[in-house]
Amino acid sequence: QVQLQESGSGLVKTSQTLSLTCAVSGGSIRSGGYAWSWIRQPPGKGLEWIGYIYHSGRTHYTPSLKSRVSMSIDTSKNQFSLQLSSVTAADTAVYYCAEWSDNYYFDSWGQGTLVTVSS
Amino acid sequence: DIQMTQSPSSLSASVGDRVTITCRASQSISNYLNWYQHKPGQAPKVLIYIASTLRSGVPSRFSGSGSGTDFTLTISGLQPEDFATYSCQQSFSTPWTFGQGTTVEI
Repeated sequence: QVQLQESGSGLVKTSQTLSLTCAVSGGSIRSGGYAWSWIRQPPGKGLEWIGYIYHSGRTHYTPSLKSRVSMSIDTSKNQFSLQLSSVTAADTAVYYCAEWSDNYYFDSWGQGTLVTVSS
Repeated sequence: DIQMTQSPSSLSASVGDRVTITCRASQSISNYLNWYQHKPGQAPKVLIYIASTLRSGVPSRFSGSGSGTDFTLTISGLQPEDFATYSCQQSFSTPWTFGQGTTVEI
């Protein structure tokens, strides 16, 4: 199993862009068939899938966030990234990166990073 | 989007108890249902996938069942390390969606 670690700013101002990176270790991000996802959990609420990116760069985002989300992948650094624009307080959450298994489940997860949006 | 509804939202239990958590999908998802355990400050982990398949390394006291719209996670003989939050997730169609979580407390 690979290990994942999120990093990025823990405090973002309202209307600005949230940026996070997930470093993958113990395996190559280029492994065929796997997708790399971002998931978040607002305080007191359930988990919400944000989207995924394949090593090819192909992406798929959840419709509710599609207009504000961008994901990228850097195979040379074995990491992938999330950008969420025009944030509001509703985007305050613990953000997780995770590996999507070809057995249709999230296999490895990062520990999560809290991002707070405040004016 | 497929809505996933878990019940109960929380429960109190003791070590050794048998615990059952249910998850209902807003439409049929065949057996594309996964269960996760998560604890504060730790990486969530998958327990059960495709409704009833135990992930390698997960204790056999965890089991899953169901198909279509109704699913169950059972913990037979609750252990101290099992006090956590459990979430179901459908992998039938994107956007993949989760239940709101069930917290198992002492």
